Amino acid sequence: AQSVTQLDSQVSVFEEAPVELRCNYSSSVSVYLFWYVQYPNQGLQLLLKYLSGSTLVKGINGFEAEFNKSQTSFHLRKPSVHISDTAEYFCAVTLGGSNYQLIWGAGTKLIIKP
Amino acid sequence: GAVVSQHPSWVICKSGTSVKIECRSLDFQATTMFWYRQFPKQSLMLMATSNEGSKATYEQGVEKDKFLINHASLTLSTLTVTSAHPEDSSFYICSARADTSTRKETQYFGPGTRLLVL
Repeated sequence: AQSVTQLDSQVSVFEEAPVELRCNYSSSVSVYLFWYVQYPNQGLQLLLKYLSGSTLVKGINGFEAEFNKSQTSFHLRKPSVHISDTAEYFCAVTLGGSNYQLIWGAGTKLIIKP
Repeated sequence: GAVVSQHPSWVICKSGTSVKIECRSLDFQATTMFWYRQFPKQSLMLMATSNEGSKATYEQGVEKDKFLINHASLTLSTLTVTSAHPEDSSFYICSARADTSTRKETQYFGPGTRLLVL
């Protein structure tokens, strides 16, 4: 069965420092990969997605992610974080199918320290 | 583009009453809508998938008679929690996707509805 693992439940970094949030998936077939961000008491906002093509994907708010097929990873990075990046980040994959249902990671809480 | 709204954002109700939550895609036609439930500090749990004009497909363990889903149009899906009880208190989030060539893989999320059953 397919699964998504977010290796860190919580990451804490200082403002203006770089950050990496890790995501690994298990699947023997091609997948589409997503990162979503959830601010407190809000819905989810799409940060970026990988469908095909270049393995380095740039998203909103200065985030980027790199798809690594051999390591089945899709880690999210930002070179310099801001206090406003404090949120929960979810990695998700879909195999396609008729409805493109998502398989979710457990989430990583990102805390930015001033 | 790809904006999804939910109404209400907050609802408090008495035990035994029913509550209806609306999910609307504002600027696209949603072929498929999804309903999720999220417990504090947890990931999203898919409750059901609905396609316009068809009956919803519920995930294992989700009571279809308790969580009624109607996807009557390409821009509106509703979730009705019938005879709500305190254990139904949660954050409910909907998402929508469109069968277009550029975004068929992507789900766009509503802002969520927090339900508190007293």
